[in-house]
Amino acid sequence: QQPVQSPQAVILREGEDAVINCSSSKALYSVHWYRQKHGEAPVFLMILLKGGEQKGHEKISASFNEKKQQSSLYLTASQLSYSGTYFCGSIIRGGAQKLVFGQGTRLTINP
Amino acid sequence: NAGVTQTPKFQVLKTGQSMTLQCAQDMNHNSMYWYRQDPGMGLRLIYYSASEGTTDKGEVPNGYNVSRLNKREFSLRLESAAPSQTSVYFCASSHLKSMGQGSGQPQHFGDGTRLSIL
Repeated sequence: QQPVQSPQAVILREGEDAVINCSSSKALYSVHWYRQKHGEAPVFLMILLKGGEQKGHEKISASFNEKKQQSSLYLTASQLSYSGTYFCGSIIRGGAQKLVFGQGTRLTINP
Repeated sequence: NAGVTQTPKFQVLKTGQSMTLQCAQDMNHNSMYWYRQDPGMGLRLIYYSASEGTTDKGEVPNGYNVSRLNKREFSLRLESAAPSQTSVYFCASSHLKSMGQGSGQPQHFGDGTRLSIL
């Protein structure tokens, strides 16, 4: 039931763009995105509730394709502060209200 | 505004010892969660409490017990610690108004407890 994230790791230069994908084998009710810096707690980025919904947060945005059971996180003109591990979490339709996280995507931004 | 507070921050145990990890939140959230995080495994749900007085198993409940002491506090107990339970443990909370609405609420995490079992 764990969503699958791809890629597992990305290395970028400052100013480049990145896309992180999150796919589920089950129908999704919602998708959450979190970022975790090394040695720190995960921090909430955004939630997508409806199929086709897109949300933005500064230069970080996400989309949710309910039909394909997948979500994508877009980071444009990346900054050094974007480095960290990104996790998607999914709540499955018809299941209990519990969030199941993907294995994470490690993003490294170099100057 | 403390948010979610976990104690202790670090702990070293010997195999077979028991201990309780404490978690308290001051955001008046009704749902609370315990996760463990291992390298390359992401965050795995151990137990959760959708509301005061209820607890349910997550993905990896074996070897753990929980207590929802009141609305603020949710503790995790290791009865007989094993090396495989060496991990970073995170507590989180969120607001759940009713089934179907909780999925739209973010989870707020504590700073974690780094637990080593020798």
